[in-house]
Amino acid sequence: NAGVTQTPKFQVLKTGQSMTLQCAQDMNHNSMYWYRQDPGMGLRLIYYSASEGTTDKGEVPNGYNVSRLNKREFSLRLESAAPSQTSVYFCASSEAGGQGSYGYTFGSGTRLTVV
Amino acid sequence: SQQGEEDPQALSIQEGENATMNCSYKTSINNLQWYRQNSGRGLVHLILIRSNEREKHSGRLRVTLDTSKKSSSLLITASRAADTASYFCATGQGKLTFGQGTILTVHP
Repeated sequence: NAGVTQTPKFQVLKTGQSMTLQCAQDMNHNSMYWYRQDPGMGLRLIYYSASEGTTDKGEVPNGYNVSRLNKREFSLRLESAAPSQTSVYFCASSEAGGQGSYGYTFGSGTRLTVV
Repeated sequence: SQQGEEDPQALSIQEGENATMNCSYKTSINNLQWYRQNSGRGLVHLILIRSNEREKHSGRLRVTLDTSKKSSSLLITASRAADTASYFCATGQGKLTFGQGTILTVHP
């Protein structure tokens, strides 16, 4: 009953470094999402994947790329980290996207600090 | 842009009291969801209410939806210290937009 697994849980990067945040779900969900959470800003959608093979930009995609590797895995890449990307990153999945709406299952988050 | 806005931003109550949080949104919706987030953890889905529903219950949770006022409320009855968390409303088709949340503190 793992649900959504995110790795790593914590990461410190230097400005300009790159890294990939990993996310995997074992619920056979079609849709997956990446959000960032900043104090006073709530959760903001970075990218999402409505189904395997598709990805779309969310509200704050600049500075990020994503890969939907297969139905289970959805990774988020920071090519050149900036201090403004210091945040807590959450991956989530849901049963379906598009016209349907279902509850999300969230991972436990990755706390990223860029110095 | 935030579709949902929670009110109040923070709420402090004693154990056993009821807690009411409100959410207002701007555009038409098909459904509205509520989530809980304990400190340092991911969000947990609590309840989904569809636009043709006015009220929904789940254990000690009661959610109402008033589409004419574009608002929803979450009531937690007989609160417990373990209910201390942030609560978020969310709207959207497929991809959700979250409000900024209400921080609830329940004192033992």
